[in-house]
Amino acid sequence: EIVMTQSPATLSVSPGERATLSCRASQSVSSNLAWYQQKPGQALRLLIYGASTRATGIPGRFSGSGSGTDFTLTISSLQSEDFAVYYCLQYDKWPPFTFGPGTKVDSK
Amino acid sequence: ELQLLESGGGLVQPGGSLRLSCAASGFTFSSYDISWVRQAPGRGLEWVSGVSGSGASTYYADSVKGRFTISRDKSKKTVYLQMNSLRAEDTAVYYCAKLDGSWGYLYFDYWGRGTPVTVSS
Repeated sequence: EIVMTQSPATLSVSPGERATLSCRASQSVSSNLAWYQQKPGQALRLLIYGASTRATGIPGRFSGSGSGTDFTLTISSLQSEDFAVYYCLQYDKWPPFTFGPGTKVDSK
Repeated sequence: ELQLLESGGGLVQPGGSLRLSCAASGFTFSSYDISWVRQAPGRGLEWVSGVSGSGASTYYADSVKGRFTISRDKSKKTVYLQMNSLRAEDTAVYYCAKLDGSWGYLYFDYWGRGTPVTVSS
């Protein structure tokens, strides 16, 4: 099973600032990596797949990079609606699909 | 509009059973794999089980293998998760999610809002 880790656990950011979230896989997952946003009471939202491809309707301030074992989600200018928990998912080798433990982005 | 609507959650005693349903709409149901993913209180996401678009292939996490059964009904556009021999550690919100992708590299592109399951005496 591929183990995913994320850092930091919590990221405190002011609106307008840049947020950089990291995700690491215990072995190479090529570019088979997705990012999700979770807000209370809402369905999870796919942000990025293929490590760097934005999903339909996702604003351009969200970008993904990386391949192999190290990945980054960047929010270039954080908006108030971006405060949420973000998860990475590897889908290179499944079952099982495995998620990272999440990064909570909150207000500084 | 694509929708996934879970139902069937509730309170059940340890050792009991529950059947969750995921009603799908807004896409060609038989063309896509569907999975169940759960989230224990205050915890992260754990993939539980998946079924192929045709229903011919099913997949399970080791933590539920032999206790949970996934199935799908094409006529009702619904995916089910039959959960038997429930344990306290199965307590979670259960989400269904549609998969997309190609060449076996599938990711979750749409999610439902979840149904809560509590296993407690």
